[in-house]
Amino acid sequence: AQSVTQLDSQVPVFEEAPVELRCNYSSSVSVYLFWYVQYPNQGLQLLLKYLSGSTLVKGINGFEAEFNKSQTSFHLRKPSVHISDTAEYFCAVSDVGDSSYKLIFGSGTRLLVRP
Amino acid sequence: DTGVSQDPRHKITKRGQNVTFRCDPISEHNRLYWYRQTLGQGPEFLTYFQNEAQLEKSRLLSDRFSAERPKGSFSTLEIQRTEQGDSAMYLCASSLGTTGELFFGEGSRLTVL
Repeated sequence: AQSVTQLDSQVPVFEEAPVELRCNYSSSVSVYLFWYVQYPNQGLQLLLKYLSGSTLVKGINGFEAEFNKSQTSFHLRKPSVHISDTAEYFCAVSDVGDSSYKLIFGSGTRLLVRP
Repeated sequence: DTGVSQDPRHKITKRGQNVTFRCDPISEHNRLYWYRQTLGQGPEFLTYFQNEAQLEKSRLLSDRFSAERPKGSFSTLEIQRTEQGDSAMYLCASSLGTTGELFFGEGSRLTVL
């Protein structure tokens, strides 16, 4: 069965510092991978996705992620964070062969950017 | 605004009452998903529709829960005889069903007293 592990429940970082949010997944088949962001009292917004091809994926707001098949990881990075990046970040996976295309989410990482 | 819309955004009810949530997906999307999100957790899959057919239900969807999408457009999620454990954010998402990219609404927050 699929599962997603986000090891860090909260990541505090100072403004303009780099950040990495970790995501590992468990699946016996090929996967699609996603990062979503959730601001307080709002729905989820797609940051970026890996479907195939280049393992380095660039998304919105300066975020990027790298797919590492051997380590079953899809870590999210940003070289310089802003106060406005404070939010909850969710990693999600979908099996390529699952016709439902439903997403399985991790428990989330709260990014707290301090001035 | 042509995104996914959910109504109501907030619902407070007493234990034992029935509640219904509505979701209007992006118009050209044939797939519609319901998720539940409790505090401090990621969204958990409940069920999904392709057009009007409900194709998969999670074991989280007890017999007190029912979802419909009668004409393949909007969907409703009804919870009967609510319990305090039903308190959560109920998220709706839609997609074209090609790559798994889901577009989420802002959610309906349920509080059961």
